[in-house]
Amino acid sequence: AQSVTQLDSQVPVFEEAPVELRCNYSSSVSVYLFWYVQYPNQGLQLLLKYLSGSTLVKGINGFEAEFNKSQTSFHLRKPSVHISDTAEYFCAVTPSGTYKYIFGTGTRLKVLA
Amino acid sequence: EAQVTQNPRYLITVTGKKLTVTCSQNMNHEYMSWYRQDPGLGLRQIYYSMNVEVTDKGDVPEGYKVSRKEKRNFPLILESPSPNQTSLYFCASRPDYSPVLTFGAGSRLTVL
Repeated sequence: AQSVTQLDSQVPVFEEAPVELRCNYSSSVSVYLFWYVQYPNQGLQLLLKYLSGSTLVKGINGFEAEFNKSQTSFHLRKPSVHISDTAEYFCAVTPSGTYKYIFGTGTRLKVLA
Repeated sequence: EAQVTQNPRYLITVTGKKLTVTCSQNMNHEYMSWYRQDPGLGLRQIYYSMNVEVTDKGDVPEGYKVSRKEKRNFPLILESPSPNQTSLYFCASRPDYSPVLTFGAGSRLTVL
């Protein structure tokens, strides 16, 4: 069975500092990987995705993530955060060729002034 | 505008009173699915549908029903809601050719 682990439930960081949100997954088959962001009282919005090809993927709002197959990780990074990045971030996987989606438990990013 | 629309956005009901949360998409997507979001648990898949009249259980289907009679609609039915179904519910859809989900704005349900 597949699973997704986001070890950090909350990450406080000062404005303009770099941030990394960690995501590890387990799967016996190949997967597609995603990061979604949820702003307060809103739905989920796609930040970025890894389907195939280059392991470094760039998304919206200056975020990027690197797929590491050997470590089964897909960590999200941003070199300089803004107050507006305060939100909850979800890592998700779907085994390729299936209709199942597995989400992590989420990481609340709080950007401090 | 391409979107997934859920209704109602907020609902307070009582135990045992049947309710339906509607979900509609205007993107001609084949796949639709329902999730519940609970603090500390993230999103968990309830049911999904690969196309009209084709549905399957996700990870937490107990207490829920779905139907897919039209391509654009995928309602979630709670025949006899219980307090443990108090949650934030999301509907999502995607086309057959892409695994990227588009989410609705969410429906916050409280069962007293």
